[in-house]
Amino acid sequence: QVQLVQSGAEVKKPGSSVRVSCKTSGGTFSSFAITWVRQAPGQGLEWMGGLNPIFRTTNYAQRFQGRLTITADESTSTAYMELNSLRSEDTAVYYCAKARSPTLAFDIWGQGTMVTVSS
Amino acid sequence: AIQMTQSPSSLSASVGDRVTITCRASQGIRNDLDWYQQKPGKAPKLLIYDASTLQSGVPSRFSGSASGTDFTLTISSLQPEDFATYYCLQDYTYPLTFGGGTKVEIK
Repeated sequence: QVQLVQSGAEVKKPGSSVRVSCKTSGGTFSSFAITWVRQAPGQGLEWMGGLNPIFRTTNYAQRFQGRLTITADESTSTAYMELNSLRSEDTAVYYCAKARSPTLAFDIWGQGTMVTVSS
Repeated sequence: AIQMTQSPSSLSASVGDRVTITCRASQGIRNDLDWYQQKPGKAPKLLIYDASTLQSGVPSRFSGSASGTDFTLTISSLQPEDFATYYCLQDYTYPLTFGGGTKVEIK
């Protein structure tokens, strides 16, 4: 059974960057797509972007273009989400999730990482 | 980007009630539509994918259907553990887009 374990909570200053990791276990890392979704306090789910290791492609939501980078390290079965130029509106819980191949339905989720942006 | 309009945004229901939640896509997405359940402080849980396929381990009281660009999640007999927020997600094309969510509360 695949499991996704995310890194711990972060507190960041406006203008700085954050990198959240998502370590996978129990499966073949290169065989499924990984996505990142965030949820601001009291708000709904927002798709940020995703990585398909099979095709070595990444896709980002337009609103994060230029600020968001999603990468993967196959040697450690870990995906990363890095968000730059943080502002207070980026305060949210960030989730990674894996796709249920061959669909893009996300069947396994990480536990979430709280990122707080505050001066 | 494809917009997913989910309704209602909230509803109150009793245990045993039949509950229906709808998502409408702004354009055709085939049946590339998934439903998720989220409880407070928890990660979302996949309930249904490809509009109507029940994810393994999900109770059969959950079902999904599609008609054109309209998609429906039905809970046939609401149970206490079903009080949560439900989201649809179109995975037809990038950027993927979620509906706004439906909070199911106890009447």
